[in-house]
Amino acid sequence: DAGVIQSPRHEVTEMGQEVTLRCKPISGHDYLFWYRQTMMRGLELLIYFNNNVPIDDSGMPEDRFSAKMPNASFSTLKIQPSEPRDSAVYFCASSSRGYWSGYTFGSGTRLTVV
Amino acid sequence: QKEVEQNSGPLSVPEGAIASLNCTYSDRVSQSFFWYRQYSGKSPELIMSIYSNGDKEDGRFTAQLNKASQYVSLLIRDSQPSDSATYLCAVNNQAGTALIFGKGTTLSVSS
Repeated sequence: DAGVIQSPRHEVTEMGQEVTLRCKPISGHDYLFWYRQTMMRGLELLIYFNNNVPIDDSGMPEDRFSAKMPNASFSTLKIQPSEPRDSAVYFCASSSRGYWSGYTFGSGTRLTVV
Repeated sequence: QKEVEQNSGPLSVPEGAIASLNCTYSDRVSQSFFWYRQYSGKSPELIMSIYSNGDKEDGRFTAQLNKASQYVSLLIRDSQPSDSATYLCAVNNQAGTALIFGKGTTLSVSS
């Protein structure tokens, strides 16, 4: 299995631009999680999906952030407009049994907003 | 707000020594506990899970859980330079749906 695949690996964008991060979970995993990691705040849960349905988006920081999962093999996290404080590493993770079986993380997207 | 606390370190140990990493959590009803390892510039990877009080051993790793004290630890025996990484403690959230992570402890093993 190729694991959880995220793209792009790195993204540098100007403040105010729209940014779209992509994730392909492991086939057969029904749970998908988006996390953000910074030195100051560590790993923060943004949103998670079960069977393509958003279950908890209480971690999404602002309306500028949105996430979708149109099918079982693809999810996007969009930031519009982006701000410098959004700079972080964004991880997607998937799981077959929620958190019980542990997560498999993707390689992450390092976002820099200048 | 549920919290998971870890000493940021760095924790420095010589090769072959035992490294002890500690974590405390605030929600007394937490049920599931995990340790993840994260190398610099890489993504976290699961190394241990523990659900019951006591010890759980897996190779050189031992996870210890004390729910009364709200304390979970990870012991690494015969530490190797390749163990140098940041170790993240994770606990299930109040809804029991996802994991909350501590900020991690950086371990440095010198040869």
